[in-house]
Amino acid sequence: EAQVTQNPRYLITVTGKKLTVTCSQNMNHEYMSWYRQDPGLGLRQIYYSMNVEVTDKGDVPEGYKVSRKEKRNFPLILESPSPNQTSLYFCASHTRNGGLNEQFFGPGTRLTVL
Amino acid sequence: KQEVTQIPAALSVPEGENLVLNCSFTDSAIYNLQWFRQDPGKGLTSLLLIQSSQREQTSGRLNASLDKSSGRSTLYIAASQPGDSATYLCAVITFGNEKLTFGTGTRLTIIP
Repeated sequence: EAQVTQNPRYLITVTGKKLTVTCSQNMNHEYMSWYRQDPGLGLRQIYYSMNVEVTDKGDVPEGYKVSRKEKRNFPLILESPSPNQTSLYFCASHTRNGGLNEQFFGPGTRLTVL
Repeated sequence: KQEVTQIPAALSVPEGENLVLNCSFTDSAIYNLQWFRQDPGKGLTSLLLIQSSQREQTSGRLNASLDKSSGRSTLYIAASQPGDSATYLCAVITFGNEKLTFGTGTRLTIIP
């Protein structure tokens, strides 16, 4: 089954404790992204990657890091989480092949930073 | 900068009625437009994708239209059911970008 998976699904942590949210896709998509969703602000892109070792900032990259060492994986790293990073996070992937550019989303990770 | 607007923010209709959700965007240079459904606290389910060269797409009771020149899309839901209650989001990919720009959604409630 074609899918995007994220782990963990729920996470409660404290300010300053480094954490990583993993994302993996099995569709061989070259593009992957991270979004955060906040009430009243909608979904906003944090970072994206166009392929292995190629990443770029989205609209709200501050406080986040990413890496793309393998095509299937795109982890999101919070080096020193703060309460304003409490949010619902989504990983997504898509391909330009075939021209559809349809984006597929993971199930989300609900992060609470105390 | 692309901006996507969805009005109204919330909508309640009796079961069985047909309804239309609206989406507008400011930059017509888009690759495609996607409609998603999101249940409370849950992930995004892709409903329909319309490529920039298309005018509409249909899936079951759903029909999405796209008027790129005017920057508008509509999602038509026929014979609404309580299970259709959710937040509906539209999003576009603009040329030169690799991200979806989302609207803030319309929260739909179908009253049994």
